[in-house]
Amino acid sequence: DTEVTQTPKHLVMGMTNKKSLKCEQHMGHRAMYWYKQKAKKPPELMFVYSYEKLSINESVPSRFSPECPNSSLLNLHLHALQPEDSALYLCASSQSPVRRDGQYFGPGTRLTVT
Amino acid sequence: GQQLNQSPQSMFIQEGEDVSMNCTSSSIFNTWLWYKQEPGEGPVLLIALYKAGELTSNGRLTAQFGITRKDSFLNISASIPSDVGIYFCAGQPIVGTASKLTFGTGTRLQVTL
Repeated sequence: DTEVTQTPKHLVMGMTNKKSLKCEQHMGHRAMYWYKQKAKKPPELMFVYSYEKLSINESVPSRFSPECPNSSLLNLHLHALQPEDSALYLCASSQSPVRRDGQYFGPGTRLTVT
Repeated sequence: GQQLNQSPQSMFIQEGEDVSMNCTSSSIFNTWLWYKQEPGEGPVLLIALYKAGELTSNGRLTAQFGITRKDSFLNISASIPSDVGIYFCAGQPIVGTASKLTFGTGTRLQVTL
């Protein structure tokens, strides 16, 4: 089973709202990732969690706040977003942050900021 | 950030035709990955390549890890309508930073009946 699940599928929020995106995997993977993807572009890495600790933050604005409650779950807390933050947010996981293997992506959350 | 050069940018082909696309880099990669993404969905891992010169198949898909380690190729034989989507290559530089994939710019594939 190579499934990564994400909720919600779609999210519309105002610029003053606080919302959270959720991601879950049960493959025993120890690395989890958040990506942002704009239309017709490749995914852009935002954060990497390695063994439940934040290991990479690609200079993401503080209005995006990641959290890894346990080895299966990854959250992305959103606050005071801008319209340009509208995008597809993808979660991914891999067996290990240092092993050479593929990353498995979830279906994404389509976020619209109004 | 850095992106890999992927070509062609888009392809319009007829059902039954074979497809070839490639990805090139100025840097050496230790792993090459090929993904397919359909509208509104996340990328799906198709093939992973781990050694220079490696040729790996997954059904009608065949991918190769270039000898120079700076390029990779994906071929789709006898295309069908469900092959429609965007195909991305991705490279992993060295083991220590394996978590940071570098993605290609994507090849959009359209298949007509």
